[in-house]
Amino acid sequence: EAGVVQSPRYKIIEKKQPVAFWCNPISGHNTLYWYLQNLGQGPELLIRYENEEAVDDSQLPKDRFSAERLKGVDSTLKIQPAELGDSAVYLCASSPNRVRTDTQYFGPGTRLTVL
Amino acid sequence: AQTVTQSQPEMSVQEAETVTLSCTYDTSESNYYLFWYKQPPSRQMILVIRQEAYKQQNATENRFSVNFQKAAKSFSLKISDSQLGDTAMYFCAFMKHVGNFNKFYFGSGTKLNVKP
Repeated sequence: EAGVVQSPRYKIIEKKQPVAFWCNPISGHNTLYWYLQNLGQGPELLIRYENEEAVDDSQLPKDRFSAERLKGVDSTLKIQPAELGDSAVYLCASSPNRVRTDTQYFGPGTRLTVL
Repeated sequence: AQTVTQSQPEMSVQEAETVTLSCTYDTSESNYYLFWYKQPPSRQMILVIRQEAYKQQNATENRFSVNFQKAAKSFSLKISDSQLGDTAMYFCAFMKHVGNFNKFYFGSGTKLNVKP
């Protein structure tokens, strides 16, 4: 079974430029998460999707961040414009939407460096 | 609000020895789940072990076991016979149900270095 796929793995951009990250979850997983992980810290939730619906985006900085999950499968996270403080690893995770005992499966992450 | 605290930013252990990583959490929920995740250097995070709060028996997965103390809100991870491949960041995570969905909270991590 293929795991969560993310691309690109690394991205270097200059501040004020736009950037987009792509995630393909495990087949059949209805729930998709985007996390922000700063260096030496644990992941912090940005947004969670149930199928194509964003059900928790309270931590997403909506002035510059946006996300979409068309058709309830792949998802894209965008930052426009990027700021120096956005340098971090952006993790995507997915899980089957069972009522009990969900476990998240993480992708390898996209390491963003904003210069 | 739920919080997860890992008080050991970094630990070292000799190969083949045993090490225990600490985790405490704060919640008013009675039903929840706890997890330990491993994140090797430059590699993706993977699940090590999980524990349902309603189960009294501590979870075990091969060399990995937990000491779950519900009253004390403590969830430590014991790694026996440490191997070089155990070198990684370890994250403790708490999950609760919110309506029909689940919400996760992660600790800040413990960096484990297994020395040969």
